[in-house]
Amino acid sequence: AQTVTQSQPEMSVQEAETVTLSCTYDTSESDYYLFWYKQPPSRQMILVIRQEAYKQQNATENRFSVNFQKAAKSFSLKISDSQLGDAAMYFCAYRRGSHINTGTASKLTFGTGTRLQVTL
Amino acid sequence: GAVVSQHPSRVICKSGTSVKIECRSLDFQATTMFWYRQFPKKSLMLMATSNEGSKATYEQGVEKDKFLINHASLTLSTLTVTSAHPEDSSFYICSAHRGTGGYEQYFGPGTRLTVT
Repeated sequence: AQTVTQSQPEMSVQEAETVTLSCTYDTSESDYYLFWYKQPPSRQMILVIRQEAYKQQNATENRFSVNFQKAAKSFSLKISDSQLGDAAMYFCAYRRGSHINTGTASKLTFGTGTRLQVTL
Repeated sequence: GAVVSQHPSRVICKSGTSVKIECRSLDFQATTMFWYRQFPKKSLMLMATSNEGSKATYEQGVEKDKFLINHASLTLSTLTVTSAHPEDSSFYICSAHRGTGGYEQYFGPGTRLTVT
């Protein structure tokens, strides 16, 4: 079974600074997808960024980027120029790279989350 | 696009009664929907995978007779908590997956259930 580990229960960053959230995973599969989701106080899950395991290039979305190290099974999230609105729970998630897009083949496995505080 | 709604957003019910939570995909067809439970300050725990037109697949340890799931159409899945007890109080989140194209899940805003 796949597992996702987030070893940082809480992190803090000053506004405008950069912070990196860690995520490691364990899988025996070679094809999979990785995600970072943000859950603000409203509790609405928001997709921040995604990475396909077959792609060597690290994904980037504006101020958010990942450092994907496939051999090390590491998938960290870097938030640059942190803003107050970035304060939230961040969850790392794994999905099998099955060509089947229905049923349990497409379920997500979540890490335990990292609570990010942004200070002035 | 890819909006998922949940209704109700909050519900309070008495112990022993049943409560139904709806999850709808508003602008796409969802062959698969997922139901999660989230305790305070904890991660999302997958309860079951809801498949349109067929029985749901429950995760280990989840009572299928207590948490009834129906996925009657490509845009609607329902979770019914039967004979609710205070320990069923939690935050329930659904997500939906497009059958074709893309591999993302789109999440609903969640439902807070309080059983008194």
